[in-house]
Amino acid sequence: DAGVIQSPRHEVTEMGQEVTLRCKPISGHNSLFWYRQTMMRGLELLIYFNNNVPIDDSGMPEDRFSAKMPNASFSTLKIQPSEPRDSAVYFCASSKGLATDTQYFGPGTRLTVL
Amino acid sequence: AQSVTQPDIHITVSEGASLELRCNYSYGATPYLFWYVQSPGQGLQLLLKYFSGDTLVQGIKGFEAEFKRSQSSFNLRKPSVHWSDAAEYFCAVGAEGGSEKLVFGKGTKLTVNP
Repeated sequence: DAGVIQSPRHEVTEMGQEVTLRCKPISGHNSLFWYRQTMMRGLELLIYFNNNVPIDDSGMPEDRFSAKMPNASFSTLKIQPSEPRDSAVYFCASSKGLATDTQYFGPGTRLTVL
Repeated sequence: AQSVTQPDIHITVSEGASLELRCNYSYGATPYLFWYVQSPGQGLQLLLKYFSGDTLVQGIKGFEAEFKRSQSSFNLRKPSVHWSDAAEYFCAVGAEGGSEKLVFGKGTKLTVNP
């Protein structure tokens, strides 16, 4: 079975540009999570969807960040406009149930904003 | 709100030696506790989890962890480390019910010397 699929794997962009990260969760999973990992702040949850509905978006840094889950098999995380401090590895994860069920992580997208 | 502390940023052990990674949590009620492992360039993978019952939990790859409520700890152990165990290890805490997000520690990087 395919795991969580993320694209692109690497993204280099210039400050001010729009960036869209994509995630396909494991089929049959009901929850989806977007995390950001940096050396300084570690692994932070940005947003948590359950049945396509945002449950917790308290980790979304500011209005520049937005996330959507239009259906059970696809989610996007958009940054507009991007800034150098957004440079990080962004992980998508999914689970069958809620946050305390086993979360399966994708390989991540390494974002560099110049 | 829950929090997790992993006191050791980096640990080095020799192959075949025993390992203990420390994790302390803060949470007002009964916590759900997890250990995840991240190999270089990859997403996180669940090693083991504790919800209730026996306080000694067995996981994959020969790892185990012990929940000690009196010490607010959930330390990860392995009797004999293999070179392939070199990775970063994350402790996480969640709330009963699963509707709240997991909170991850900053991680402990494990180096294994031959």
